[in-house]
Amino acid sequence: GQNIDQPTEMTATEGAIVQINCTYQTSGFNGLFWYQQHAGEAPTFLSYNVLDGLEEKGRFSSFLSRSKGYSYLLLKELQMKDSASYLCAAMDSNYQLIWGAGTKLIIKP
Amino acid sequence: IAGITQAPTSQILAAGRRMTLRCTQDMRHNAMYWYRQDLGLGLRLIHYSNTAGTTGKGEVPDGYSVSRANTDDFPLTLASAVPSQTSVYFCASTETSGGNNEQFFGPGTRLTVL
Repeated sequence: GQNIDQPTEMTATEGAIVQINCTYQTSGFNGLFWYQQHAGEAPTFLSYNVLDGLEEKGRFSSFLSRSKGYSYLLLKELQMKDSASYLCAAMDSNYQLIWGAGTKLIIKP
Repeated sequence: IAGITQAPTSQILAAGRRMTLRCTQDMRHNAMYWYRQDLGLGLRLIHYSNTAGTTGKGEVPDGYSVSRANTDDFPLTLASAVPSQTSVYFCASTETSGGNNEQFFGPGTRLTVL
């Protein structure tokens, strides 16, 4: 079957660094997406990885290991506005996204 | 303003009633999707359309129908609503020819079926 696993909730301190892990199992693989979703709002795109390695975009970085079925999202210099849910999604062989349940990130001052 | 719009924003519906959720995009994306989001679960695909005139079933299609008469519009219909269809519904679109298939989401419709 197809499955995405990520932690339900994480807590971090303002100004710190946090890593959100995601493991996936899909029928075929066409890339790994990370989305941010603030409470009551729509998901918004953060990153896309299809090759192994690290992609950096400002304070956010995303890593992919295809052989391990593993990705992480790294958030640096955390700000209060980063409090949100972070959704991991893998694209299968039919180019459909399989979504994890999301990781709720709580930032404390 | 470019993007995806959904209507209504929220709705309370009596069980057994028929309801159509509207979705319109102006980005000329070929593919469109309907998801439902429930607490503790990931987004689940209800129906999708890879191009105007075609539709397909997702993970949880029962009780829902869609149509794609043109590129811009992708309405979702609940023929006879049941309480288990209480959820937040998101419409999304993407351009699948080239690029990374990033999906753009509408603001969502919060539906309560009593």
